[in-house]
Amino acid sequence: DTAVSQTPKYLVTQMGNDKSIKCEQNLGHDTMYWYKQDSKKFLKIMFSYNNKELIINETVPNRFSPKSPDKAHLNLHINSLELGDSAVYFCASSPSGRVYEQYFGPGTRLTVT
Amino acid sequence: AQTVTQSQPEMSVQEAETVTLSCTYDTSENNYYLFWYKQPPSRQMILVIRQEAYKQQNATENRFSVNFQKAAKSFSLKISDSQLGDTAMYFCAFMRGRGADGLTFGKGTHLIIQP
Repeated sequence: DTAVSQTPKYLVTQMGNDKSIKCEQNLGHDTMYWYKQDSKKFLKIMFSYNNKELIINETVPNRFSPKSPDKAHLNLHINSLELGDSAVYFCASSPSGRVYEQYFGPGTRLTVT
Repeated sequence: AQTVTQSQPEMSVQEAETVTLSCTYDTSENNYYLFWYKQPPSRQMILVIRQEAYKQQNATENRFSVNFQKAAKSFSLKISDSQLGDTAMYFCAFMRGRGADGLTFGKGTHLIIQP
């Protein structure tokens, strides 16, 4: 029973393509997040989202967009992929009122060639 | 905006030794949380320890403990009796007490435990 799952685990694609990474949590959490870990291992918040509010890190290009079809899912869409988008992307979730409890997914390694 | 600084890119110690990882942060918030996360080669993010800023007592979890100095904005992690399985990247992280804008991470310390 994986609490936070991501698909795919690995994604290799070419520059200019559009791709999506899916995230699902079965914990009943209200808030979900996307983080990016670059090649130097630096982790940065990209988005946080609950049913009321989307918070976007101002440094994230608008080619990146989160889409939430329902409370259990927060997918990451990336348009016009660039070489610099190569990274590991982590999804996470937290329960309402206890946002300090972050449950991370296993990560998706995206490689743009 | 918050910043988190880890000044030790890499550390190496012998098995069974004690090691301390440093972390400083900067914030104007009064209500916040601090964390240490472990990331082994499997890349899974594992919570090691959490400290609430309003608590004066330092958090401990088995062999892991923190030295939280709120006035100095310092939050170091001590690992006692280090084990080979402790080899990993360690990230210090900050979260505001209000809102849900996620974690702010330091750049990480690569800890290597030598047999």
